[in-house]
Amino acid sequence: DADVTQTPRNRITKTGKRIMLECSQTKGHDRMYWYRQDPGLGLRLIYYSFDVKDINKGETSDGYSVSRQAQAKFSLSLESAIPNQTALYFCATSDGGQPYNEQFFGPGTRLTVL
Amino acid sequence: AQSVTQLGSHVSVSEGALVLLRCNYSSSVPPYLFWYVQYPNQGLQLLLKYTTGATLVKGINGFEAEFKKSETSFHLTKPSAHMSDAAEYFCAVTRSMDSSYKLSFGSGTRLLVRP
Repeated sequence: DADVTQTPRNRITKTGKRIMLECSQTKGHDRMYWYRQDPGLGLRLIYYSFDVKDINKGETSDGYSVSRQAQAKFSLSLESAIPNQTALYFCATSDGGQPYNEQFFGPGTRLTVL
Repeated sequence: AQSVTQLGSHVSVSEGALVLLRCNYSSSVPPYLFWYVQYPNQGLQLLLKYTTGATLVKGINGFEAEFKKSETSFHLTKPSAHMSDAAEYFCAVTRSMDSSYKLSFGSGTRLLVRP
């Protein structure tokens, strides 16, 4: 079984709809991240969490919210989706011991907002 | 602030040829540098990283990268390309003194390998 899983893998929705993307991990890591990937822009950090009670905004958090329900679960919500939120979304985890520790990525969720 | 610049959004090589993917970074403090690879329809996985010490870093699948502080570069190389190397490659940086451990990614370079 995959260490970092994301659901759904693909989603098409309409402008104004509320969407939740879910991430679960079995690696036992304390840190979790949400990124979006846009062609030609690389990955941009949306939110990150050091533990259940510590959630921080990344460089592109407007229009998004997150919830860390447990150490193993980190959800990303789009309260009112808009077309420019069409992107590939990745969840990642890392062991918080050192800044150079590897981040482990899920397979991604492709979201299309019409 | 920190940032990463990857020169060339697409690089095409013949099978067996040298692979060179360029990465330059800016960081006001000593950086930690990474190369990640993304195969089609998959998430990213770590190829290699530089923390401290030896500036030539070896990674998986025959890739290596050299940290050159004077040039603020961390270019990725492989002596002989295989068809299976076709993927998108991302350079990333985090700062050694940043407790947030946030990664900043470059825009990516797509490697095409011709038969």
